[in-house]
Amino acid sequence: DQQVKQNSPSLSVQEGRISILNCDYTNSMFDYFLWYKKYPAEGPTFLISISSIKDKNEDGRFTVFLNKSAKHLSLHIVPSQPGDSAVYFCAASVGGSNYKLTFGKGTLLTVNP
Amino acid sequence: NAGVTQTPKFQVLKTGQSMTLQCAQDMNHNSMYWYRQDPGMGLRLIYYSASEGTTDKGEVPNGYNVSRLNKREFSLRLESAAPSQTSVYFCASSLTGPEPLHFGNGTRLTVT
Repeated sequence: DQQVKQNSPSLSVQEGRISILNCDYTNSMFDYFLWYKKYPAEGPTFLISISSIKDKNEDGRFTVFLNKSAKHLSLHIVPSQPGDSAVYFCAASVGGSNYKLTFGKGTLLTVNP
Repeated sequence: NAGVTQTPKFQVLKTGQSMTLQCAQDMNHNSMYWYRQDPGMGLRLIYYSASEGTTDKGEVPNGYNVSRLNKREFSLRLESAAPSQTSVYFCASSLTGPEPLHFGNGTRLTVT
């Protein structure tokens, strides 16, 4: 039973445009959400997080939106750059605990020059 | 600043062989983790160590053992490797439980 779903395995966008990566979850107990970015042959790196008490969190070009009623979150990258090409993992936890962190399968983002 | 260092980077084993994956962090983090990533799957937690001297099972612990050797080092042992353990293994650390994870670059393990 997949509790965190990233239904788009891949996404391709043009440089300068907006990239929107989506994530759905089924466990209503999840209250802390993170996005990790992974380049080939490297480990994932933390990108941005959001607590369920918020519906938006921004960090530079990256914004995460949370819609609790729809159990949906999205990561917006504006403007997209070729260096953003990577696999993006959505993850969720209860109480912010890494010991019960559930990852989605990832979305491969390709930003074309 | 090396962060999280994993050795080896690549390993090929025959079914039934044993091996230990090594992980060390230099960030003075309290918590350490072992994950596996299979094609088309998200990362799944094998074992974690919330603090030095403690270890606990994650989502997929069967076939693995771990040792938190000291605050810096957390090793993962496969006693009798099976083809189902072919995967990429990531070690991670965090200052505490809720802090974001810092990952190593992975060990690609193939069991034939």
